[in-house]
Amino acid sequence: GAGVSQSPRYKVAKRGQDVALRCDPISGHVSLFWYQQALGQGPEFLTYFQNEAQLDKSGLPSDRFFAERPEGSVSTLKIQRTQQEDSAVYLCASSPLVDTEAFFGQGTRLTVV
Amino acid sequence: LAKTTQPISMDSYEGQEVNITCSHNNIATNDYITWYQQFPSQGPRFIIQGYKTKVTNEVASLFIPADRKSSTLSLPRVSLSDTAVYYCLPKGSRGSTLGRLYFGRGTQLTVWP
Repeated sequence: GAGVSQSPRYKVAKRGQDVALRCDPISGHVSLFWYQQALGQGPEFLTYFQNEAQLDKSGLPSDRFFAERPEGSVSTLKIQRTQQEDSAVYLCASSPLVDTEAFFGQGTRLTVV
Repeated sequence: LAKTTQPISMDSYEGQEVNITCSHNNIATNDYITWYQQFPSQGPRFIIQGYKTKVTNEVASLFIPADRKSSTLSLPRVSLSDTAVYYCLPKGSRGSTLGRLYFGRGTQLTVWP
């Protein structure tokens, strides 16, 4: 595709429900990042993949958050037992190499009710 | 990583030049300064990056003085469509931060007709 694609665009979850957010990076991009953006704030780093290897997950806020990229392309961010504080926009970004310009998707807005 | 400080908000009128200044007193020797733009309901988009002096592209100019403790993003002749949040980010050297981006709250630029 032409850019980074994320789905769904919007997700409403009941508290305690598990959710899965999908990211399709630009084809051939080695690096993939997940960010969380709360209302009125800048994006905050969650985790980083280089191909299929998760090299940094220091930004994941709790063990309820899990990310994978099993074949080095599509990535999924899973949140178990969602809480209200998980409500945010989740952004995915990819780049050709680790130190080059990052291209962001439009994000998934998660609302936990 | 260097902490950045930029105005929370700025207002301008169509056709004017807008300059957004960012302070980064503790920027590391190897860090670049990168600016991103974010429209509502969109992911951030790379605008420009520089290390020292002046960089210009089709969208903006970036001025970084010799001491590198600040940088100024210049947008010539803004239009309504330039209304967005602008983020100033230090970009770590290869291997040290694995391409991770540190966003602050950014500057909300509002352009009025």
